[in-house]
Amino acid sequence: GAVVSQHPSWVICKSGTSVKIECRSLDFQATTMFWYRQFPKQSLMLMATSNEGSKATYEQGVEKDKFLINHASLTLSTLTVTSAHPEDSSFYICSASPLSGRSTYEQYFGPGTRLTVT
Amino acid sequence: DAKTTQPNSMESNEEEPVHLPCNHSTISGTDYIHWYRQLPSQGPEYVIHGLTSNVNNRMASLAIAEDRKSSTLILHRATLRDAAVYYCIRGSYQLTFGKGTKLSVIP
Repeated sequence: GAVVSQHPSWVICKSGTSVKIECRSLDFQATTMFWYRQFPKQSLMLMATSNEGSKATYEQGVEKDKFLINHASLTLSTLTVTSAHPEDSSFYICSASPLSGRSTYEQYFGPGTRLTVT
Repeated sequence: DAKTTQPNSMESNEEEPVHLPCNHSTISGTDYIHWYRQLPSQGPEYVIHGLTSNVNNRMASLAIAEDRKSSTLILHRATLRDAAVYYCIRGSYQLTFGKGTKLSVIP
């Protein structure tokens, strides 16, 4: 159980275009989903916390108008990178926390999406 | 600020136990201690978490010091599949990842 999927697993786009990444919890409901970014040989950096039905909370330094997050249901959150530039090339990873119980402190991560902007 | 301190790397022989240390001397009373691991080009995988008491699950054991300022993740029998970066994180539902410990397992 506790499977999180991401789509696509990798994407190449041209500079100036937008890319949407989907994150789904397949076998549980998640009130909260998180989006991280990871550059090569670095650790994960939290970008934003997304709660179903409300606006995402962005970490300091993350542009909310550039990284649009929509959490429309208890099993789906999307991250749209708008007007992508080469410096946005990174590994984007989402995670989800189960709705209730002790396991709310467990985050289940998706496999990640490798974005390359040319 | 990851708020935890871990060795950059460790090595273990296959089929031997591994003890991964973590220092979190500024931990608050409500902070949990979480462990995740990450293989290259994959998302992190939940390993274990605890608050005050030692915890066991099918993957590992977590030994928490009585003063909660440090903890140790114990892999009872390392396999090649356990080679990964292990992250020790203190907090509640929001996780701040540090650099972690890169564990190498020698066949």
